[in-house]
Amino acid sequence: NAGVTQTPKFQVLKTGQSMTLQCAQDMNHNSMYWYRQDPGMGLRLIYYSASEGTTDKGEVPNGYNVSRLNKREFSLRLESAAPSQTSVYFCASSERYGQIHSGANVLTFGAGSRLTVL
Amino acid sequence: AQSVTQPDIHITVSEGASLELRCNYSYGATPYLFWYVQSPGQGLQLLLKYFSGDTLVQGIKGFEAEFKRSQSSFNLRKPSVHWSDAAEYFCAVVGDSGGSNYKLTFGKGTLLTVNP
Repeated sequence: NAGVTQTPKFQVLKTGQSMTLQCAQDMNHNSMYWYRQDPGMGLRLIYYSASEGTTDKGEVPNGYNVSRLNKREFSLRLESAAPSQTSVYFCASSERYGQIHSGANVLTFGAGSRLTVL
Repeated sequence: AQSVTQPDIHITVSEGASLELRCNYSYGATPYLFWYVQSPGQGLQLLLKYFSGDTLVQGIKGFEAEFKRSQSSFNLRKPSVHWSDAAEYFCAVVGDSGGSNYKLTFGKGTLLTVNP
């Protein structure tokens, strides 16, 4: 089925280690997003890419970097992991950024990546 | 800045009972509102959305929501809950004034437990 694929599904890191979460979508969407989900906090936007070649900070960007590798792929990197980054990370995509009236902003989510930092 | 409040962290209902999940938003202009559902271990799935027009919107799985501008609310309802509806539900809002307002802002979620 078409959709958003995230890897890995689970990862355990030690404090200070680095890692990259991968995300790919096959819906020809222009915009992609990274969220983190913490208990009682809902989903918070880390970074987004409105279109290929652009990235922007969201609500909680500190400690993260992103790369929009091509139209399909959007990766999230933790350079030096901290216990506060223990979370479930979701990648999402939408047809367009903005264009609310057309419904092109509706997000499709991946299944999530559970990260634990010890 | 836009915000969403879901007053109920956890709701328990019996199978077959009616359900209403509350959502209040804060946004200066016309909001665009969504309800997403997250089953255990899964990503979020769109249940329904309100952009304009009829204030009562129908979604998947028998859910509906009503937009009430005067109350800044967008409550989710279902007449008869099934055990498979047990999940976490998120209300979200996006604005239409450009810049950061194009991004979805989520509420903190309401966890629904369904008793047999």
